[in-house]
Amino acid sequence: GAGVSQTPSNKVTEKGKYVELRCDPISGHTALYWYRQSLGQGPEFLIYFQGTGAADDSGLPNDRFFAVRPEGSVSTLKIQRTERGDSAVYLCASSLGGANNEQFFGPGTRLTVL
Amino acid sequence: AQSVTQPDIHITVSEGASLELRCNYSYGATPYLFWYVQSPGQGLQLLLKYFSGDTLVQGIKGFEAEFKRSQSSFNLRKPSVHWSDAAEYFCAVGDRSGSARQLTFGSGTQLTVLP
Repeated sequence: GAGVSQTPSNKVTEKGKYVELRCDPISGHTALYWYRQSLGQGPEFLIYFQGTGAADDSGLPNDRFFAVRPEGSVSTLKIQRTERGDSAVYLCASSLGGANNEQFFGPGTRLTVL
Repeated sequence: AQSVTQPDIHITVSEGASLELRCNYSYGATPYLFWYVQSPGQGLQLLLKYFSGDTLVQGIKGFEAEFKRSQSSFNLRKPSVHWSDAAEYFCAVGDRSGSARQLTFGSGTQLTVLP
């Protein structure tokens, strides 16, 4: 079956620009997660949705980062006024929602801020 | 706050040799424990997980891991490594208390397999 998909796979932007990264979770998965992976590091949690609402956004680094999931399926991570330090791979994962449910990861979007 | 330490940044083994990747965690109780593998250009793939019960867990691709509460460890093992196992491996912990659902990852161990 279809896994988690993310678009675009690569995004190059200039400092100060706005970007949107999209995640399509596995059908039926109520939980959706965003992580950020910098070079040489493990993924770091950004935000977790249960259904349409953000259940935990404690990992968002600052108010330039925002994410939505208006219909409880597709999610968009939005970054305003991008900075060079935002360059990373942004990973999306989805799961059935319980604490012991496996998170299935997408291939990621590589964001480069010039 | 929970944390995960993978002390080996890079490990090189010969094909057919045994493998052990180390993982230590810091958590107030028994966490959920996971090992993921990441190949270039690929998403993270779950190898195995520990939630409760038998402390030796079997995963895909011939991997296993042992949870040792006394050592706060969850080391990954494979008796005979294949060239296709070359990848980056991440250990992660999940919070089983409260409403938190995110995983906390270690910084990864890069595995090189020599022919």
